[in-house]
Amino acid sequence: KAGVTQTPRYLIKTRGQQVTLSCSPISGHRSVSWYQQTPGQGLQFLFEYFSETQRNKGNFPGRFSGRQFSNSRSEMNVSTLELGDSALYLCASSEGDRGQRTGELFFGEGSRLTVL
Amino acid sequence: DAKTTQPPSMDCAEGRAANLPCNHSTISGNEYVYWYRQIHSQGPQYIIHGLKNNETNEMASLIITEDRKSSTLILPHATLRDTAVYYCIVPPSPGSARQLTFGSGTQLTVLP
Repeated sequence: KAGVTQTPRYLIKTRGQQVTLSCSPISGHRSVSWYQQTPGQGLQFLFEYFSETQRNKGNFPGRFSGRQFSNSRSEMNVSTLELGDSALYLCASSEGDRGQRTGELFFGEGSRLTVL
Repeated sequence: DAKTTQPPSMDCAEGRAANLPCNHSTISGNEYVYWYRQIHSQGPQYIIHGLKNNETNEMASLIITEDRKSSTLILPHATLRDTAVYYCIVPPSPGSARQLTFGSGTQLTVLP
């Protein structure tokens, strides 16, 4: 089974631009979660999508948004980039059945964004 | 999430057991304990989770005290590849296992 695939792996943007990151979950997984990792704040939850609906959202400004497609692939977008948005953005997939605690998140390798 | 406390760093000799402690004194009755690890520059990797019984899988064992206020992750025969940051996490409710709060974790260094 292929793992979680994130693209692009590395990218450089300048302040004010926007960026779109993509995540393909493990086949059969319907939940996709996004996390931001910075040296100062550590790993922080951004949002979770399940069956094309945002199910949970972390404490991030509205510049951070996402969506999920019918094939469970997900994208996140950051608009009006700031220097502080430089981070490793991680996507995680899971079976996502709300009716039981599935427990296990499978993370991708991340997309490393540098904002200049 | 129930607050967890872990030592910032630990060393372990290669081939020996690595015992990583975690305190979660405010844990409630239906909250699970999860362990993940992150090897440098990679995405976090799930290790194990448990509620109140001890758990074992191919990667590790999880020992939870009877009062559930602390737990220990055991890597029975640590290798150099086990050098990583280990996170102990207690999500607040069933269904929130995908909205994890990662603390600072424990940097485990396995020494040759």
